[in-house]
Amino acid sequence: DVKVTQSSRYLVKRTGEKVFLECVQDMDHENMFWYRQDPGLGLRLIYFSYDVKMKEKGDIPEGYSVSREKKERFSLILESASTNQTSMYLCASSSDGRSTGELFFGEGSRLTVL
Amino acid sequence: DAKTTQPTSMDCAEGRAANLPCNHSTISGNEYVYWYRQIHSQGPQYIIHGLKNNETNEMASLIITEDRKSSTLILPHATLRDTAVYYCIVRDQGGSYIPTFGRGTSLIVHP
Repeated sequence: DVKVTQSSRYLVKRTGEKVFLECVQDMDHENMFWYRQDPGLGLRLIYFSYDVKMKEKGDIPEGYSVSREKKERFSLILESASTNQTSMYLCASSSDGRSTGELFFGEGSRLTVL
Repeated sequence: DAKTTQPTSMDCAEGRAANLPCNHSTISGNEYVYWYRQIHSQGPQYIIHGLKNNETNEMASLIITEDRKSSTLILPHATLRDTAVYYCIVRDQGGSYIPTFGRGTSLIVHP
């Protein structure tokens, strides 16, 4: 069964801490994405990557960075967490080669910054 | 901004068909329509997609208008477990793309 795994379902961090959110997919997908989801705002794209060591800014990249050193892993980094980054974070992956081309999502990581 | 517009919320009686509309008036010729749903506290799940023709799978049916400017996702016999937020997005399957989600439609299926 195909899978996108996010390292933590729930995290609580303090303002100013460095936060790592990890995402691993086992489908050999080229494309990986990080979204955040807030009530009333839907899913907003933070960063995405089409290949190893490649990254592109999404709609709301400020305050975030990403790393993709291996094809299966895409990390979201909050260099200095702030309270307005309290949110649900969702990782997704997709393949250019699949006939359906759908996104596969992880279960989400709910981050609270105090 | 999302390239699709959907009603904010809808409700449906259990056992009845749920028809969820989506407008995508600026869709281009090589863009597909995809539908996802998100059950509370879970990641979104793919439902179905189509280009021109109507599509059906074990989860739902997708009806796309002839001009392709709108579509309808049909859940033929809604159950309580279909209560979720449903997202309609468009994407170019031919190459790299940026999947953009709007706010979706919150469907409540009631007994």
